[in-house]
Amino acid sequence: KAGVTQTPRYLIKTRGQQVTLSCSPISGHRSVSWYQQTPGQGLQFLFEYFSETQRNKGNFPGRFSGRQFSNSRSEMNVSTLELGDSALYLCASSLREMNTEAFFGQGTRLTVV
Amino acid sequence: AQTVTQSQPEMSVQEAETVTLSCTYDTSESDYYLFWYKQPPSRQMILVIRQEAYKQQNATENRFSVNFQKAAKSFSLKISDSQLGDAAMYFCAYSVESNFGNEKLTFGTGTRLTIIP
Repeated sequence: KAGVTQTPRYLIKTRGQQVTLSCSPISGHRSVSWYQQTPGQGLQFLFEYFSETQRNKGNFPGRFSGRQFSNSRSEMNVSTLELGDSALYLCASSLREMNTEAFFGQGTRLTVV
Repeated sequence: AQTVTQSQPEMSVQEAETVTLSCTYDTSESDYYLFWYKQPPSRQMILVIRQEAYKQQNATENRFSVNFQKAAKSFSLKISDSQLGDAAMYFCAYSVESNFGNEKLTFGTGTRLTIIP
Protein backbone atom coordinates (compact mmCIF):
# COMPACT_ATOMS: atom_id res chain seq x y z
CA LYS A 1 0.00 0.00 0.00
CA ALA A 2 1.52 3.31 -1.04
CA GLY A 3 2.11 5.87 1.68
CA VAL A 4 1.32 9.56 1.75
CA THR A 5 3.01 11.28 -1.18
CA GLN A 6 3.92 14.94 -1.15
CA THR A 7 5.19 16.83 -4.17
CA PRO A 8 7.47 18.52 -4.75
CA ARG A 9 10.01 17.54 -2.10
CA TYR A 10 11.92 20.81 -2.38
CA LEU A 11 10.91 24.22 -3.62
CA ILE A 12 12.60 27.60 -3.82
CA LYS A 13 10.43 30.64 -4.42
CA THR A 14 10.91 34.38 -4.40
CA ARG A 15 9.19 36.67 -1.94
CA GLY A 16 5.85 37.83 -3.31
CA GLN A 17 5.28 34.76 -5.47
CA GLN A 18 2.68 32.11 -4.80
CA VAL A 19 3.16 28.37 -4.40
CA THR A 20 1.03 25.23 -4.57
CA LEU A 21 1.93 22.05 -2.71
CA SER A 22 0.31 18.70 -3.35
CA CYS A 23 -0.53 15.76 -1.12
CA SER A 24 -1.85 12.35 -2.18
CA PRO A 25 -3.21 10.43 0.80
CA ILE A 26 -3.15 6.72 1.39
CA SER A 27 -5.77 4.96 -0.68
CA GLY A 28 -9.09 4.95 1.16
CA HIS A 29 -8.20 7.82 3.49
CA ARG A 30 -10.58 10.73 3.19
CA SER A 31 -8.98 13.09 5.70
CA VAL A 32 -5.95 15.20 4.85
CA SER A 33 -4.33 17.58 7.34
CA TRP A 34 -1.55 20.07 6.74
CA TYR A 35 1.09 21.18 9.23
CA GLN A 36 3.85 23.77 9.06
CA GLN A 37 7.14 22.97 10.80
CA THR A 38 9.69 25.70 11.52
CA PRO A 39 12.59 25.86 13.99
CA GLY A 40 11.02 28.82 15.75
CA GLN A 41 7.35 27.87 15.94
CA GLY A 42 7.60 24.09 15.82
CA LEU A 43 4.75 22.08 14.33
CA GLN A 44 1.60 24.05 13.77
CA PHE A 45 -1.72 22.88 12.36
CA LEU A 46 -2.81 24.63 9.18
CA PHE A 47 -6.08 22.98 8.17
CA GLU A 48 -7.86 19.70 7.63
CA TYR A 49 -10.03 18.56 4.76
CA PHE A 50 -12.46 15.69 4.83
CA SER A 51 -14.59 14.69 1.86
CA GLU A 52 -13.70 17.92 0.06
CA THR A 53 -14.80 20.09 2.99
CA GLN A 54 -12.55 22.06 5.33
CA ARG A 55 -13.24 20.69 8.82
CA ASN A 56 -10.69 22.54 10.90
CA LYS A 57 -8.50 25.56 10.42
CA GLY A 58 -5.48 26.72 12.36
CA ASN A 59 -4.43 30.25 13.17
CA PHE A 60 -2.82 31.25 9.89
CA PRO A 61 -3.46 34.28 7.68
CA GLY A 62 -5.75 34.09 4.67
CA ARG A 63 -2.72 33.81 2.38
CA PHE A 64 -2.76 30.12 3.31
CA SER A 65 -5.53 28.18 1.65
CA GLY A 66 -6.25 24.65 0.61
CA ARG A 67 -8.65 22.38 -1.14
CA GLN A 68 -9.41 18.73 -1.53
CA PHE A 69 -10.51 16.94 -4.65
CA SER A 70 -13.01 14.12 -5.07
CA ASN A 71 -10.18 11.56 -5.09
CA SER A 72 -9.06 12.93 -1.68
CA ARG A 73 -5.88 14.47 -3.04
CA SER A 74 -5.26 17.84 -1.46
CA GLU A 75 -3.42 20.98 -2.40
CA MET A 76 -2.39 23.89 -0.27
CA ASN A 77 -1.62 27.30 -1.67
CA VAL A 78 0.35 30.15 -0.19
CA SER A 79 0.03 33.51 -1.91
CA THR A 80 2.28 36.55 -1.61
CA LEU A 81 5.08 34.55 -0.05
CA GLU A 82 7.04 36.02 2.83
CA LEU A 83 10.47 35.01 4.09
CA GLY A 84 8.80 33.63 7.22
CA ASP A 85 6.88 31.11 5.14
CA SER A 86 10.08 29.13 4.70
CA ALA A 87 9.31 25.84 6.39
CA LEU A 88 8.75 22.14 6.06
CA TYR A 89 5.12 21.54 5.14
CA LEU A 90 3.83 18.16 6.26
CA CYS A 91 0.70 16.43 5.11
CA ALA A 92 -1.03 13.66 7.04
CA SER A 93 -3.87 11.40 6.01
CA SER A 94 -6.21 9.29 8.09
CA LEU A 95 -9.53 7.54 8.02
CA ARG A 96 -10.80 10.27 10.37
CA GLU A 97 -12.65 7.74 12.48
CA MET A 98 -12.21 7.14 16.19
CA ASN A 99 -8.78 6.03 17.30
CA THR A 100 -7.19 6.01 13.89
CA GLU A 101 -3.60 6.81 13.15
CA ALA A 102 -2.50 9.80 11.12
CA PHE A 103 0.13 8.84 8.53
CA PHE A 104 2.54 11.55 7.47
CA GLY A 105 4.29 12.21 4.20
CA GLN A 106 7.94 13.22 3.95
CA GLY A 107 7.07 16.85 3.55
CA THR A 108 7.83 19.65 1.15
CA ARG A 109 10.73 21.89 2.08
CA LEU A 110 9.83 25.43 0.95
CA THR A 111 12.51 28.10 0.91
CA VAL A 112 11.50 31.70 0.24
CA VAL A 113 14.31 34.00 -0.86
CA ALA B 1 -6.50 25.93 24.51
CA GLN B 2 -4.61 22.69 24.68
CA THR B 3 -0.85 22.89 25.10
CA VAL B 4 1.88 20.26 25.08
CA THR B 5 5.21 20.88 26.80
CA GLN B 6 8.45 18.99 26.34
CA SER B 7 11.03 20.41 28.74
CA GLN B 8 14.03 18.46 27.44
CA PRO B 9 15.29 19.92 24.14
CA GLU B 10 18.04 17.29 23.96
CA MET B 11 18.75 13.92 25.52
CA SER B 12 21.47 11.36 25.01
CA VAL B 13 21.77 7.72 26.02
CA GLN B 14 24.29 4.94 25.67
CA GLU B 15 23.37 2.22 23.24
CA ALA B 16 21.47 -0.62 24.99
CA GLU B 17 20.56 1.62 27.94
CA THR B 18 17.15 3.02 28.88
CA VAL B 19 16.04 6.62 28.46
CA THR B 20 12.87 8.47 29.44
CA LEU B 21 11.51 11.48 27.57
CA SER B 22 9.13 13.80 29.42
CA CYS B 23 5.90 15.42 28.28
CA THR B 24 3.20 17.36 30.07
CA TYR B 25 0.00 18.71 28.63
CA ASP B 26 -2.85 20.94 29.55
CA THR B 27 -6.46 20.29 28.61
CA SER B 28 -9.96 20.60 29.98
CA GLU B 29 -11.22 17.74 27.83
CA SER B 30 -11.97 14.32 29.29
CA ASP B 31 -11.68 12.26 26.10
CA TYR B 32 -8.43 12.62 24.24
CA TYR B 33 -5.46 10.76 22.80
CA LEU B 34 -1.78 11.19 23.43
CA PHE B 35 0.94 10.20 21.00
CA TRP B 36 4.67 10.00 20.65
CA TYR B 37 5.95 10.59 17.14
CA LYS B 38 9.50 10.07 15.91
CA GLN B 39 11.02 12.24 13.19
CA PRO B 40 14.33 10.87 11.85
CA PRO B 41 16.56 12.85 9.48
CA SER B 42 14.34 11.70 6.60
CA ARG B 43 11.76 14.13 8.13
CA GLN B 44 8.87 11.69 7.96
CA MET B 45 6.84 11.61 11.16
CA ILE B 46 6.39 8.06 12.40
CA LEU B 47 3.96 7.08 15.13
CA VAL B 48 5.79 5.36 17.98
CA ILE B 49 3.01 4.80 20.50
CA ARG B 50 -0.52 5.95 21.30
CA GLN B 51 -2.48 6.21 24.55
CA GLU B 52 -6.20 6.66 24.98
CA ALA B 53 -7.01 8.87 27.98
CA TYR B 54 -9.82 6.60 29.16
CA LYS B 55 -7.45 3.64 29.48
CA GLN B 56 -5.66 3.34 32.80
CA GLN B 57 -3.22 0.77 31.50
CA ASN B 58 -0.03 2.23 30.05
CA ALA B 59 0.53 1.51 26.36
CA THR B 60 3.54 -0.54 25.29
CA GLU B 61 5.01 -1.28 21.87
CA ASN B 62 8.01 -3.58 22.01
CA ARG B 63 10.87 -1.52 23.49
CA PHE B 64 8.69 1.56 23.86
CA SER B 65 6.35 2.18 26.78
CA VAL B 66 4.65 5.15 28.35
CA ASN B 67 3.94 6.32 31.86
CA PHE B 68 0.56 8.03 31.64
CA GLN B 69 -0.44 10.01 34.72
CA LYS B 70 -3.83 11.52 33.88
CA ALA B 71 -4.29 13.53 37.07
CA ALA B 72 -0.83 15.02 36.72
CA LYS B 73 -1.29 15.47 32.96
CA SER B 74 2.00 13.75 32.34
CA PHE B 75 2.89 11.41 29.50
CA SER B 76 6.50 10.19 29.42
CA LEU B 77 8.09 7.81 26.91
CA LYS B 78 10.52 5.12 28.00
CA ILE B 79 12.81 3.56 25.42
CA SER B 80 14.48 0.36 26.60
CA ASP B 81 17.55 -1.23 25.05
CA SER B 82 18.24 1.91 22.99
CA GLN B 83 19.44 1.29 19.45
CA LEU B 84 21.28 3.52 17.00
CA GLY B 85 18.16 3.64 14.85
CA ASP B 86 16.27 5.32 17.70
CA ALA B 87 18.21 8.54 17.15
CA ALA B 88 15.67 11.15 16.06
CA MET B 89 13.49 14.04 17.18
CA TYR B 90 10.66 12.83 19.35
CA PHE B 91 7.43 14.77 19.53
CA CYS B 92 4.69 14.39 22.09
CA ALA B 93 1.26 15.16 20.64
CA TYR B 94 -2.33 15.50 21.78
CA SER B 95 -5.60 15.05 19.98
CA VAL B 96 -9.08 15.56 21.29
CA GLU B 97 -11.75 13.04 20.42
CA SER B 98 -15.00 14.32 19.00
CA ASN B 99 -18.11 12.74 17.57
CA PHE B 100 -16.43 13.05 14.21
CA GLY B 101 -13.27 11.23 15.17
CA ASN B 102 -9.84 12.42 16.16
CA GLU B 103 -9.29 16.13 15.81
CA LYS B 104 -6.09 17.95 14.91
CA LEU B 105 -2.77 17.10 16.52
CA THR B 106 -1.18 19.59 18.90
CA PHE B 107 2.56 18.98 19.16
CA GLY B 108 5.20 19.73 21.74
CA THR B 109 8.49 21.35 20.76
CA GLY B 110 10.34 18.05 20.53
CA THR B 111 13.29 16.31 22.16
CA ARG B 112 16.33 15.45 20.11
CA LEU B 113 17.58 12.01 21.15
CA THR B 114 21.17 11.03 20.49
CA ILE B 115 22.34 7.44 20.87
CA ILE B 116 25.97 7.06 21.93
CA PRO B 117 27.61 3.90 20.54
